[in-house]
Amino acid sequence: VQLVESGGGVVQPGRSLRLSCAASGFTFRSYAMHWVRQAPGRGLEYVSAINYNGGSTYYADSVKGRFTISRDNSKNTLYLQMGSLRAEDMAVYYCARETREEDGSNDYWGQGTLVTVSS
Amino acid sequence: DIQMTQSPSSLSASVGDRVTITCRASQSISRYLNWYQQKPGKAPNLLIYAASSLQRGVPSRFSGSGSGTYFTLTITNLQPEDFATYYCQQSYNVPRTFGQGTKVEIK
Repeated sequence: VQLVESGGGVVQPGRSLRLSCAASGFTFRSYAMHWVRQAPGRGLEYVSAINYNGGSTYYADSVKGRFTISRDNSKNTLYLQMGSLRAEDMAVYYCARETREEDGSNDYWGQGTLVTVSS
Repeated sequence: DIQMTQSPSSLSASVGDRVTITCRASQSISRYLNWYQQKPGKAPNLLIYAASSLQRGVPSRFSGSGSGTYFTLTITNLQPEDFATYYCQQSYNVPRTFGQGTKVEIK
């Protein structure tokens, strides 16, 4: 199992950025996926989730209306479209797989991609 | 949202010590509680799921217990590679909230 995030970088406040998470080593279309972020020196913050076929999504209040999660099961890729970026969105963004077991834990994580919001 | 509160926020311990971290949920989450270890600059790593089940490949010195609103993570015979930050997470519902983390440092 491998998850590889990309798309991070430096972006000005108010601008947009799209993160990608390329999955391999498992049947991507069968798993719910999540985005979790971590601001510098801070703890883990749950951002967004999507079910196996993209039919159900969830957003934290802090990003609702600004971020959009999506997936392309034909490309084994998860996305996070981030808009109206704010200084408080600056963080390392991790994608994570949700186990297919009932417990709902995140059993595999990517290495993370850093988003810096600065003018 | 379900609030998760860990204690302590940090602790100092020596190699060979037994360490216990607690996690409390603001409402009952049955056994939908997971523990992660994170080392600096690395992604979190799942240690314990469903309150007490050891993730494949995780050493048996890690153990979890609890149900409802009170949970513990115990590390027996602390090893040098265990110095890290530990997070609890509830998977009872969304958002899958995390505790604030417990940093285990070398005494």
